Amino acid sequence: AQSVTQPDIHITVSEGASLELRCNYSYGATPYLFWYVQSPGQGLQLLLKYFSGDTLVQGIKGFEAEFKRSQSSFNLRKPSVHWSDAAEYFCAVGAWSGYALNFGKGTSLLVTP
Amino acid sequence: DVKVTQSSRYLVKRTGEKVFLECVQDMDHENMFWYRQDPGLGLRLIYFSYDVKMKEKGDIPEGYSVSREKKERFSLILESASTNQTSMYLCASKPAGLKNTEAFFGQGTRLTVV
Repeated sequence: AQSVTQPDIHITVSEGASLELRCNYSYGATPYLFWYVQSPGQGLQLLLKYFSGDTLVQGIKGFEAEFKRSQSSFNLRKPSVHWSDAAEYFCAVGAWSGYALNFGKGTSLLVTP
Repeated sequence: DVKVTQSSRYLVKRTGEKVFLECVQDMDHENMFWYRQDPGLGLRLIYFSYDVKMKEKGDIPEGYSVSREKKERFSLILESASTNQTSMYLCASKPAGLKNTEAFFGQGTRLTVV
């Protein structure tokens, strides 16, 4: 079965600094990978997804993620963080034949002035 | 625009009550899901449905049941609410197909059982 690990529970960055959120997955075949963001009290919004092809994927709000098969990773990055990026971020994995996505436990991002 | 609507944003119920959480999607998606979200535990799958009247247990189905009588509506039922079911509940949907597309989420229902 597929699973996802987000090693960092909380991350604090200064506004304007770069950001990298880590995600490691466990799955035997090529996974389908997603990053979602959740603002306080809201549902989840898709930031970006990877199915195949180019291993660097671009998403909304200036985010990007890189799929590295050799490291079983799908880390999310942003070159310059804005205060509005403070939120909970979830990495998720799905199987080609499966129904549901499996989510990591999330990383809470705090942005300081 | 894609839309998944959960009938309530906030609910307060008493222990032992029967509770219904409703979810409606307008995208004609085959698959629908109920997740529970708790701090430090992420999203855990309770039940999902891949077709009308079809359902499958997720990772934490105990204490819950579901109903899908129409394609667009997926209900989560707490037969006898308990305080340990106080949580944020998220409904999601996604289309069927060999390619595993992203899931679309509702705004969530924060349920408090007192």
